[in-house]
Amino acid sequence: DAGVIQSPRHEVTEMGQEVTLRCKPISGHNSLFWYRQTMMRGLELLIYFNNNVPIDDSGMPEDRFSAKMPNASFSTLKIQPSEPRDSAVYFCASRGQGAGTDTQYFGPGTRLTVL
Amino acid sequence: AQKITQTQPGMFVQEKEAVTLDCTYDTSDPSYGLFWYKQPSSGEMIFLIYQGSYDQQNATEGRYSLNFQKARKSANLVISASQLGDSAMYFCAMASGYSSASKIIFGSGTRLSIRP
Repeated sequence: DAGVIQSPRHEVTEMGQEVTLRCKPISGHNSLFWYRQTMMRGLELLIYFNNNVPIDDSGMPEDRFSAKMPNASFSTLKIQPSEPRDSAVYFCASRGQGAGTDTQYFGPGTRLTVL
Repeated sequence: AQKITQTQPGMFVQEKEAVTLDCTYDTSDPSYGLFWYKQPSSGEMIFLIYQGSYDQQNATEGRYSLNFQKARKSANLVISASQLGDSAMYFCAMASGYSSASKIIFGSGTRLSIRP
């Protein structure tokens, strides 16, 4: 299995621009998570989906952030408009189904820099 | 409320020694899972080990073992015979509920540095 795939790996953009981060979970996993990691705040859960349905988006910082999961193999996290304080590493992770197989695997992350 | 606490921001250990990274948790759910992840300087999050709340024995994976003390609500990671490549940030995490639909919360991490 290729693992969780994220793209792009690095993104540099200017303040005010729209940013779209993409994630392909591990095939067969039914839960998908978006995290943000910064030195100041550590690892924060932004939103997670189960069977393509958003379950908890309480970690989404504000209306500028939105996430979708149109099917079991693809999710996007969009920031519009982006701000310098959004600079962080954004991780996508997926998790299998069934008791005893709950391990969550992370993608390599997208390092976002907003100038 | 669910909570994960890692009280050691940083640790220094001599190569080849064993090291214990502390983790305590709090949850009211009788079913939960505990995880440890390693994040080296390259940035990726690497899954190390998992322990379910109903597992009778402590989990082990190679040089990693999880010292699970349910009554004390602790899930310490033990690394035997540490190596220079073990230098990294280590995160403890918990999922309440025995389903992949439950979210996972993370501790603040412990930075482990191995001295040659």
